[in-house]
Amino acid sequence: SQQGEEDPQALSIQEGENATMNCSYKTSINNLQWYRQNSGRGLVHLILIRSNEREKHSGRLRVTLDTSKKSSSLLITASRAADTASYFCATGTNRDDKIIFGKGTRLHILP
Amino acid sequence: NAGVTQTPKFQVLKTGQSMTLQCAQDMNHEYMSWYRQDPGMGLRLIHYSVGAGITDQGEVPNGYNVSRSTTEDFPLRLLSAAPSQTSVYFCASSWEPGAGYTFGSGTRLTVV
Repeated sequence: SQQGEEDPQALSIQEGENATMNCSYKTSINNLQWYRQNSGRGLVHLILIRSNEREKHSGRLRVTLDTSKKSSSLLITASRAADTASYFCATGTNRDDKIIFGKGTRLHILP
Repeated sequence: NAGVTQTPKFQVLKTGQSMTLQCAQDMNHEYMSWYRQDPGMGLRLIHYSVGAGITDQGEVPNGYNVSRSTTEDFPLRLLSAAPSQTSVYFCASSWEPGAGYTFGSGTRLTVV
């Protein structure tokens, strides 16, 4: 079974608005990563947050992690057409070296 | 260019045939994994390796074999292809499990 579950499954917003995606997971983690996938392409690593961190920023991306709620959020500010893609969270645990992905959120930026 | 190279990009197999999907990386990464991606299912881990000579099973290992004789290469073998193995396969590598992955561009496999 997959560790992470993204919410919502799909999201459409106007260009310039902020987009927020959430990821919930089931067991304790070492780290949580966010990836982007453009249609038909491989995944691109966006940002990694470790279990002892609460927030990280990278450009227009902001990731938060709440280990007590077993959840993370990815905020993309001032969205652009090029942000149209699927976004996945992936988790790594203390128990083994597996990195497990969720099912993803499809983001569509409307012009 | 440095990165993860997957071959072939497309493949059609008949049920029962075997084949090997190739994956090579030139970044000296110790950690490599194979995932399959199906519509609505996200990415599911097939097998992974933490270094040469070491492999382990992921979420969906049945029907697949792997080996890791060198740091650079991590081939995925389909023993007897089934239509349920129709999918897009991605290879990924990183310098450790807790670091971000570099992904290959994928192999689109159809089993008829």
